[in-house]
Amino acid sequence: EAGVTQSPTHLIKTRGQQATLRCSPISGHTSVYWYQQALGLGLQFLLWYDEGEERNRGNFPPRFSGRQFPNYSSELNVNALELEDSALYLCASSWVGWSNQPQHFGDGTRLSIL
Amino acid sequence: AQTVTQSQPEMSVQEAETVTLSCTYDTSESDYYLFWYKQPPSRQMILVIRQEAYKQQNATENRFSVNFQKAAKSFSLKISDSQLGDAAMYFCAYRSTRTSGTYKYIFGTGTRLKVLA
Repeated sequence: EAGVTQSPTHLIKTRGQQATLRCSPISGHTSVYWYQQALGLGLQFLLWYDEGEERNRGNFPPRFSGRQFPNYSSELNVNALELEDSALYLCASSWVGWSNQPQHFGDGTRLSIL
Repeated sequence: AQTVTQSQPEMSVQEAETVTLSCTYDTSESDYYLFWYKQPPSRQMILVIRQEAYKQQNATENRFSVNFQKAAKSFSLKISDSQLGDAAMYFCAYRSTRTSGTYKYIFGTGTRLKVLA
């Protein structure tokens, strides 16, 4: 069974540009979660999508947005990039039907802002 | 709002010894789930162990066990017979249940575990 896949592995951008990160969940999982992992800050919840809809959002500005496609894959878009957006962005998927189901994580996309 | 606190940024343990990582949380909900995740240097986060709040019995998974104290809102992870492969960042996580309708999933800031040979 293929795990959660994220692309690209690394992404280098400059301030003010826009970045698009992609995530493919495990087959059968309908929920996709996005997290930002900056140094020393643990995982900060960004967005949760399920069945194509945004279900919950963390405390991030509107320039962080995303969507989920009919095949349950997801995109995270970050507009007007700032230096502090440099971080590892992790995607996770799960089946939302049972709350005790763990999230399965991808390897992440390392976003570097120059 | 729910919070998860891991007060130990870094811990060290000698190989074959036992180590306990602490986690406390704050919530007004009565039913929820707690998880410990491990993030090795290769970056992929994997589940170590989970605990349902309605269960009084502490969860165990081989060398990993938890000490769940609901009244104290404490959820510590004990690793017995530590191995070099246990070296990783460990995250404690809280999840609201489906009945609460919020589906919140909150992570602590992590504890870096070093295993000394």
